[in-house]
Amino acid sequence: AQSVSQHNHHVILSEAASLELGCNYSYGGTVNLFWYVQYPGQHLQLLLKYFSGDPLVKGIKGFEAEFIKSKFSFNLRKPSVQWSDTAEYFCAVNAPAGNNRKLIWGLGTSLAVNP
Amino acid sequence: GAVVSQHPSWVICKSGTSVKIECRSLDFQATTMFWYRQFPKQSLMLMATSNEGSKATYEQGVEKDKFLINHASLTLSTLTVTSAHPEDSSFYICSAGLAKYNEQFFGPGTRLTVL
Repeated sequence: AQSVSQHNHHVILSEAASLELGCNYSYGGTVNLFWYVQYPGQHLQLLLKYFSGDPLVKGIKGFEAEFIKSKFSFNLRKPSVQWSDTAEYFCAVNAPAGNNRKLIWGLGTSLAVNP
Repeated sequence: GAVVSQHPSWVICKSGTSVKIECRSLDFQATTMFWYRQFPKQSLMLMATSNEGSKATYEQGVEKDKFLINHASLTLSTLTVTSAHPEDSSFYICSAGLAKYNEQFFGPGTRLTVL
């Protein structure tokens, strides 16, 4: 069965520090990959997505993620975090063919950025 | 584009009553809508997938008679929590999928509190 694991459950950083959140998935076929962010008290927003093409994907707010097929990974990065990046981050995967585009979710990573 | 709304944004009800939550895709026609439940500080749990004009597909462990889903049109899906109990208190989130994209667009969520 498909699954998504996010290695870091809680991350605390100081402003200007670099961020990397790990995401690994298990699925043998072609996948679409997503990172969503949920700011405190707000709804889910799409940060970035990968469907095909350049494995280095740039998203909103300075975030990027790299799809490494051989490692089944899609890690999220940001070179310099800000206090406003404090949020929950979710990695998700779906298979593009069939399955009603059902998303498989990681458990999320809570990021706290200290000013 | 791709805006999804939910109504109400929050609701408080007495135990034993039923509550209906609406999910609308405002500027596109959604062939598939998804209903999630999110507990505090946790990931999203998919409850069911609904396709317009057909019965919803429920995830294992989700009671279909308790969580009634109707997807009567390409822009509206409703979730009715029947005979609500305090343990049903949660954050319910819907998302809508576009036929030509393997992506979901999320509503802002509905906070349900059952007294």
